[in-house]
Amino acid sequence: DTGVSQDPRHKITKRGQNVTFRCDPISEHNRLYWYRQTLGQGPEFLTYFQNEAQLEKSRLLSDRFSAERPKGSFSTLEIQRTEQGDSAMYLCASSFVEAGFAGELFFGEGSRLTVL
Amino acid sequence: AQRVTQPEKLLSVFKGAPVELKCNYSYSGSPELFWYVQYSRQRLQLLLRHISRESIKGFTADLNKGETSFHLKKPFAQEEDSAMYYCALSVPGGYQKVTFGTGTKLQVIP
Repeated sequence: DTGVSQDPRHKITKRGQNVTFRCDPISEHNRLYWYRQTLGQGPEFLTYFQNEAQLEKSRLLSDRFSAERPKGSFSTLEIQRTEQGDSAMYLCASSFVEAGFAGELFFGEGSRLTVL
Repeated sequence: AQRVTQPEKLLSVFKGAPVELKCNYSYSGSPELFWYVQYSRQRLQLLLRHISRESIKGFTADLNKGETSFHLKKPFAQEEDSAMYYCALSVPGGYQKVTFGTGTKLQVIP
């Protein structure tokens, strides 16, 4: 297992287009997170999954953002009708949650989105 | 709502000097606290967790519930410690969402 992988690593798109990012977590991990990071800021929570169930979606996230984790394996994050403000690094992380503790998050290298 | 505050965006210290990266949190109970580090051109990774009570790369962090702080300390800074450091918090027992602070860039001057 090579760890958490994200694809694509970099996406350049025009405003108004849809984009989709994929995350493949570490296989035995039951928890998957999506974060967004802009320059000079820490990872901002977007959403997370326990297996295939989406537990919470940030209230800061517009309806243009949607995430899925079918069958509790890989996850996709889709942004519809992209805006320039969506330009950021999108980070995926996975962990094994046990006994009510979050545990260590293992991060991917991120998918950088540039909206022109 | 759970929140993590890192008051310093940048901390510059000379090699061999002590380091203290500040982290304060807002939560009334007993949170699970972490320090994550991101070295240049590397992915974000865990440095230490408070429940492990261990020292990693010479760093330690003590949970102070009275001051709601979890400051990261190292007695003698090394050049290879230069990186971005993020404090993070999770509330045990619920959905364990992990919330990050805005980060502090540590610059160790040779």
